[in-house]
Parts: sequence; structure tokens; C-alpha cells
Amino acid sequence: EIVLTQSPATLSLSPGERATLSCRASQSVSSYLAWYQQKPGQAPRLLIYDASNRATGIPARFSGSGSGTDFTLTISSLEPEDFAVYYCQQRSNWPTITFGQGTRLEIK
Amino acid sequence: QVTLRESGPALVKPTQTLTLTCTFSGFSLSTSGMCVSWIRQPPGKALEWLALIDWDDDKYYSTSLKTRLTISKDTSKNQVVLTMTNMDPVDTATYYCARAAIFGGTHYFDYWGQGTLVTVSS
Repeated sequence: EIVLTQSPATLSLSPGERATLSCRASQSVSSYLAWYQQKPGQAPRLLIYDASNRATGIPARFSGSGSGTDFTLTISSLEPEDFAVYYCQQRSNWPTITFGQGTRLEIK
Repeated sequence: QVTLRESGPALVKPTQTLTLTCTFSGFSLSTSGMCVSWIRQPPGKALEWLALIDWDDDKYYSTSLKTRLTISKDTSKNQVVLTMTNMDPVDTATYYCARAAIFGGTHYFDYWGQGTLVTVSS
């Protein structure tokens, strides 16, 4: 089973700052990686698919990059509504699906 | 408009079988490429994928839980049902159903239900 390791576990930043979240896979997942945002009491929301494509309605400040085993989610300038937990998810070895353990983005 | 809604018991006893129903609208599970999945999240913890059923009635399960899970669909009712046997307190979690649709060349979860909290306790 492919394991996804996210870092850091918690990231403390201020609105307006740039956020960089990392997701590392235990083996190559090609570009078959997604990022989700989850706010308290809500279901996750798809942000990025295929490593770098924004889902419908996702603001341009969110961007994804990477391939193989190392991936990054970047939020260029944090808005107050961006403070949440972010998960990466792979589906390289379809249909087995795994999620990372999450990165909590909190207000500093 | 795509919606999904989970339903089932809020409380189950240890060793009992859990049955959850996902009722969806706005898409058909008979459409090529469409899938519905179950994903759970223990309180304060990460997401865990459980099972998936596709438009062709193929079924896939988490390796660690496959002996306890059964997923099925009723296309005419727009429902997907998950059963999990031999429930244990560690199975306490919010259970989500989600649609998996093709983005690019693969499937990702683009619509989710609001989740249903299941507590396992005697």
C-alpha cells in the first residue's frame, strides 16, 4: 500500500503570507494526486487533481506541483477562509486509495 | 445539482453490523466512469478510504478492512449501501459517501455527503 506523508503536521501563518504544504509518497504515484481542504464540521472539498489542476471554482491562489513521490500545495497569499486542514490523496494504484494524515493550517 | 446524503444508525453496539445508505441525486451510477465511495474519519483524525463501487458494479475494498465490508448499489433508487460487520469502538467515526468522477484521466472525489457520525459503544 502506498503511504502518503504530509508535512508539516501544523503550519502557523498569518493572512497574506504564503503557505507551502508537502506530501511525499512511499513510491511513485505519477501525477495521480489530489489535494482536499476540510474545515471543521464540513466534508472535504476537492482543490487540486492530477497534482496541478485546480478543480472547478477553486481560486487561483491555490496551486499544486510535483510528480512521482514529492508534491506541494501552495497558497500564494492566505485569506482568512483558508485556515483549515489539508489532505493529499493518491489513486495511482487504482482502485486502492490512500490519504495523507493531513496538515493543519492555523492562524499565527 | 449533485447531492449525496448518508443515513444510518448513530449508535451501534460492539460486534453488531453497521448498515449505511448513501442516497444521491444529480447523476446516475449507471453512467460510464461514475463511482461512489465510502470514506470515514475518526474524531480528530485523518480520512480513511473504505470501499468503492463503480458504474459496472465492480467493487473494491480497503485491504485492511475488506473482510468486514460489503458495498452494493441500487441504481433505480440512486442508493449505495455499505455494511461493516463486527463493529468495534475503534470504528467510531464520521462516515462519508462521495462521488468519484473522472478528472483528467483518473477518478477523484468531487462531491461529498455531509457525513454521519457513528458511535460504537455498549
